[in-house]
Amino acid sequence: SQQGEEDPQALSIQEGENATMNCSYKTSINNLQWYRQNSGRGLVHLILIRSNEREKHSGRLRVTLDTSKKSSSLLITASRAADTASYFCATAHTGGGNKLTFGTGTQLKVEL
Amino acid sequence: DVKVTQSSRYLVKRTGEKVFLECVQDMDHENMFWYRQDPGLGLRLIYFSYDVKMKEKGDIPEGYSVSREKKERFSLILESASTNQTSMYLCASSFSGSRGNTIYFGEGSWLTVV
Repeated sequence: SQQGEEDPQALSIQEGENATMNCSYKTSINNLQWYRQNSGRGLVHLILIRSNEREKHSGRLRVTLDTSKKSSSLLITASRAADTASYFCATAHTGGGNKLTFGTGTQLKVEL
Repeated sequence: DVKVTQSSRYLVKRTGEKVFLECVQDMDHENMFWYRQDPGLGLRLIYFSYDVKMKEKGDIPEGYSVSREKKERFSLILESASTNQTSMYLCASSFSGSRGNTIYFGEGSWLTVV
């Protein structure tokens, strides 16, 4: 299986703090994406970083990619209670077309 | 807005029943996917389709089949439901090629097999 893994599995922080979650994968990729899932709902796309990029920003989100280590991190700055959700990384592997392989997810809880 | 609609949010079926999960997308996407989500295992790809009547096995196709007779509709079929198929099923769709980097998900179907 090419499935990646997120770390940590669960993260609990206070509102206003930054949240960092990591993703590791196994084979070469075209791009890596992060998705968010509110409890019991479908996933929503957050951000995409291509294999030739090292860092990308979108609002309070910052994603880094290290292809030599086959890893990525997602940083959410100044977290809010509404950020409470599960976050998944997904990789588009070289030669895999538009298929995405998802990691196991990080459950983020932001407390007031 | 892209809309991926899964016809049933919650289903309870008996062991051995044939189960149909229906999914419709309204964005003229070429690709459609069925994933299964279980705690601690993340999302695992069951089948995907890149065109009408075309299908390809994902990582866990055993016990499942699919049908794509029309571009907008992708059905997941459990020929004989078993208790280990109790799970949340997620349908998704995307464009193909360079426009297909983002995939769009439905709200999920919770299936319980008793």
